[in-house]
Amino acid sequence: QVQLQESGPGLVKPSETLSLTCTVSGGSIRSYSWSWIRQPAGKGLEWIGRISSSGSTNYNPSLKSRVTMSVDTSKNQFSLKLSSVTAADTAVYYCARGQAAGGANWFDPWGQGSLVTVSS
Amino acid sequence: SYELTQPPSVSVSPGQTASITCSGDKLGNKYVCWYQHKPGQSPVLVIYEDTKRPSGIPERFSGSNSGNTATLTISGTQAMDEADYYCQAWDSSTAVFGGGTKLTVL
Repeated sequence: QVQLQESGPGLVKPSETLSLTCTVSGGSIRSYSWSWIRQPAGKGLEWIGRISSSGSTNYNPSLKSRVTMSVDTSKNQFSLKLSSVTAADTAVYYCARGQAAGGANWFDPWGQGSLVTVSS
Repeated sequence: SYELTQPPSVSVSPGQTASITCSGDKLGNKYVCWYQHKPGQSPVLVIYEDTKRPSGIPERFSGSNSGNTATLTISGTQAMDEADYYCQAWDSSTAVFGGGTKLTVL
């Protein structure tokens, strides 16, 4: 059973770069896409972007200028960098596996989530 | 940008049927999936490809999608089904989530 685990600093200063890594266990990172999704407290889910195992990316247009994703297949990990953060970027960040079939795409499973707070 | 609209809240009595809608322009032309999200837990996929249930999801969960509206139906709702539910679709290689619906079982 594939499991995902987010890791990274829980506190980031304003204007700095948020960095998170998702480690995939119980299965290979190859042949799937991998996404980052966040949820500010009391708000809904927001998709940040995805990366394939070959490194191709799609980003949410609203965050595209600040987002960079990378993948390390040798470590079964993928990563998120979000630059120039503000308090509005405070959220629980989830990583999730993307699955696809017949033109449909969905997220399953998800990591447990990592709370990142932006504060000085 | 593409938007998906859900009612903020839905209430249902135990054993009754709950319906949660998700509206978007020509949504029936896209595939919709649904996630259940309980406090302190990770979201769980309950419906994908409009109508399919992942392994382990009870049969009381079903989905439909036509026209501008997708619907998640929970038949014989149980107290354990109380959660936030999110619809999700793709538009121009961007994943879009609805605002979420809080399902209360009372």
